[in-house]
Amino acid sequence: QKEVEQNSGPLSVPEGAIASLNCTYSDRGSQSFFWYRQYSGKSPELIMSIYSNGDKEDGRFTAQLNKASQYVSLLIRDSQPSDSATYLCAVNRDGGKFYFGSGTKLNVKP
Amino acid sequence: NAGVTQTPKFQVLKTGQSMTLQCAQDMNHNSMYWYRQDPGMGLRLIYYSASEGTTDKGEVPNGYNVSRLNKREFSLRLESAAPSQTSVYFCASRGDRGSYEQYFGPGTRLTVT
Repeated sequence: QKEVEQNSGPLSVPEGAIASLNCTYSDRGSQSFFWYRQYSGKSPELIMSIYSNGDKEDGRFTAQLNKASQYVSLLIRDSQPSDSATYLCAVNRDGGKFYFGSGTKLNVKP
Repeated sequence: NAGVTQTPKFQVLKTGQSMTLQCAQDMNHNSMYWYRQDPGMGLRLIYYSASEGTTDKGEVPNGYNVSRLNKREFSLRLESAAPSQTSVYFCASRGDRGSYEQYFGPGTRLTVT
């Protein structure tokens, strides 16, 4: 079983819609959760971190964490073509090793 | 403030050759990481260093060695390159206790023929 699972996509949404990206993890001891955006040929860029159950909002982005269900999600409101990228979910247990999902490719159509 | 820098950006090796990938950070972070990224595989941890003088294996350490030269620099060495090591390599550093966010370098694209 993989440590972190993501649907590879592609997820296609029209411009202005809400994009919903999901991630599940296997280690119940995981304490820190991250979403990275990666454009083709570029390095991952941190967009959200979340450490406790519930929602965390930053501009158009909302991260949601449910530790009981071992589930973390990212909502992107008012999606723009510039949001088209691969989104990577990462989890960390104790500050040491990080585990990444294989990423979900998002296409936002004008 | 350059963040995390990596050299070289591109490299082509023949099977059996050796090389060292260099990484440096100027954010005064204790922890540094080396990952490889293959198509459809996400990022896989090769080695990491929690502090100067310490290193630990990640998911895919075979065929690699690392050196934490000082707090700023963390190098990755391929002693005898194999075609299976063709990949994009990313170095990252992490904030200290209270902030576990990682920041990535621009990557090294390595091809082994």
